[in-house]
Amino acid sequence: GDSVTQMEGPVTLSEEAFLTINCTYTATGYPSLFWYVQYPGEGLQLLLKATKADDKGSNKGFEATYRKETTSFHLEKGSVQVSDSAVYFCALSDLNAGNMLTFGGGTRLMVKP
Amino acid sequence: GAVVSQHPSRVICKSGTSVKIECRSLDFQATTMFWYRQFPKQSLMLMATSNEGSKATYEQGVEKDKFLINHASLTLSTLTVTSAHPEDSSFYICSAPFGGTQETQYFGPGTRLLVL
Repeated sequence: GDSVTQMEGPVTLSEEAFLTINCTYTATGYPSLFWYVQYPGEGLQLLLKATKADDKGSNKGFEATYRKETTSFHLEKGSVQVSDSAVYFCALSDLNAGNMLTFGGGTRLMVKP
Repeated sequence: GAVVSQHPSRVICKSGTSVKIECRSLDFQATTMFWYRQFPKQSLMLMATSNEGSKATYEQGVEKDKFLINHASLTLSTLTVTSAHPEDSSFYICSAPFGGTQETQYFGPGTRLLVL
């Protein structure tokens, strides 16, 4: 079945540092890939998405590129802020599975001033 | 983007009572909604798929008699936790897909349930 693996946290960075959160996936079909962010005490918010190979999703300074050859969708940001502190979830949606989301385990990011 | 709401945002109840959680798609129709459960510092666990006009589809290990799901209309799904016990305390989140062939799941803000 489909699965998503992302790096375990917590990831602790200083403000303005470069961020990478690794995400790899396995899927039987051609999934869409997503990054969701969850701030403390809140639900999930869509951060960015990519629907086909080589697509780059971007939002709020975050980027991720759909790499079919390496089955990866790593999240990056050039300069993190304290307000970026949250839990980040990588996920895939497979049409063959009724578009249900398969989540990674989540990565907690803590940004210190 | 599409907006999904949940009500209540937080509920505290006594053991043995039932609690109803509502999930609404505010600006779009959703024939399917999903219910998740999230334990502290863990990922989301899909509980069931709510289908408008038909029975919900439950994931393996989820008790359908314990977690009653009703998809009453194209904008409303409800999850009722029956005879709640302390182990049912958790963060419950719903989602609804929007966007046609490139649909994206939009999530509600979650409901925190505490059973005393």
